[in-house]
This record gives sequence, structure tokens and C-alpha cells, in this order.
Amino acid sequence: RKEVEQDPGPFNVPEGATVAFNCTYSNSASQSFFWYRQDCRKEPKLLMSVYSSGNEDGRFTAQLNRASQYISLLIRDSKLSDSATYLCVVNRDNQGGKLIFGQGTELSVKP
Amino acid sequence: EAGVTQFPSHSVIEKGQTVTLRCDPISGHDNLYWYRRVMGKEIKFLLHFVKESKQDESGMPNNRFLAERTGGTYSTLKVQPAELEDSGVYFCASSLYTGANVLTFGAGSRLTVL
Repeated sequence: RKEVEQDPGPFNVPEGATVAFNCTYSNSASQSFFWYRQDCRKEPKLLMSVYSSGNEDGRFTAQLNRASQYISLLIRDSKLSDSATYLCVVNRDNQGGKLIFGQGTELSVKP
Repeated sequence: EAGVTQFPSHSVIEKGQTVTLRCDPISGHDNLYWYRRVMGKEIKFLLHFVKESKQDESGMPNNRFLAERTGGTYSTLKVQPAELEDSGVYFCASSLYTGANVLTFGAGSRLTVL
């Protein structure tokens, strides 16, 4: 079983749609949680960190449920430029830099 | 500020040959990481340098892979001899602080072994 599991998609949605991605992690020692975004043949880039209290950045909202070991990302009012692969990433305590990636969820936003 | 740069962007070699990938981290970043993504799989950690020292090389798949960071600046990752299953994208990342969770990644070096 993978340590970080994501639905690989692809998710094909029209512009303006709301889309939600889910991620589960298996190691309860995980301490830090992130969503990265990767455009085709480009580097992964940090989209946002994820906190237990939930956090929002514009159209993006991330949630963490430690009890269920579940992370989510909600994108509202999808734009064409949101098309990318979204990577769920966790890190165990005191292993800074040793990130554990999910396989990624591909999103395609259509006109 | 220049980002993390990697060279070559794409390398095609035959099984049994040797390839050397290079990574230039962001200037001043003591921490340098190598990751790779093989076809159909997730990105996986290979190793972590702090300056010129290997802090953690638990992700290195086998002894055909050799990473170096002489002088604590750029790093090389050599695969010798390359096997078909080594094909994938090799990412380098760097961070200023040891223990940092947020890394800056390079665009990757795509390796194709025929």
C-alpha cells in the first residue's frame, strides 16, 4: 500500500466548476502536509501548506483531518490555467526535506 | 534569484551506458535533495546533502547510483551502468534550512534508457 494515496483522475471539468481532490496518508507520524502543483514537464511547485484548522488562499481551500488521516483540496471557479497535476505531499516529523508524494491527480479544465 | 537548474533536460542512453546528471541549487542553499519519478509511479526521495555531506541516502535504489556534492555547491548523480528501469525523471531540489519542509525543485532531467 502506498503511504500517500490519491485518485489519479483525470478530472475533466468545465471552466467555473468547483472540484475537490482527496488524499489519504497511512503513517500517523506524518506531521506536515502540502499540496504541490506540477504543470506538464515542469517542476513541482508548492501550492499551499495544509493545517488542521483548514486554510484558504483565494479560490483554493485545503483541509486536514488528522483523525481520519485525510487531506483535501477544493478549487472554486476553476480556470483554464488550473489545469495541472496536483500532488498531495506529507512529511514526517524531524525528516525535513524527505517529502513523501502521492501519485498526483490530473486536472483538466475545459472552456 | 536563479532557481534550481538541472542538466541535461533529457538524456537518451542505451542499457549499460553511464549517465551523469547535474544539479545547481539556489545559491546559498546548503540543503540539496535528489528525487525521481519512474513511469507510472509517484515522486520518490533518493537522498539529501547538507553542504558536501550525505545526510540521508536511504532512498538510493542500489549501488549503481552515485551522488556527489564536492565543495558543497552543485551536485552530480551518476548512474552506472544504466538499466531499463532507471528511466524516469530525476528532480533536484534545494532549501536554505536543514529540516525545511518547503523545497524549491528544478525542472528535472528526463532519462530514457533503451
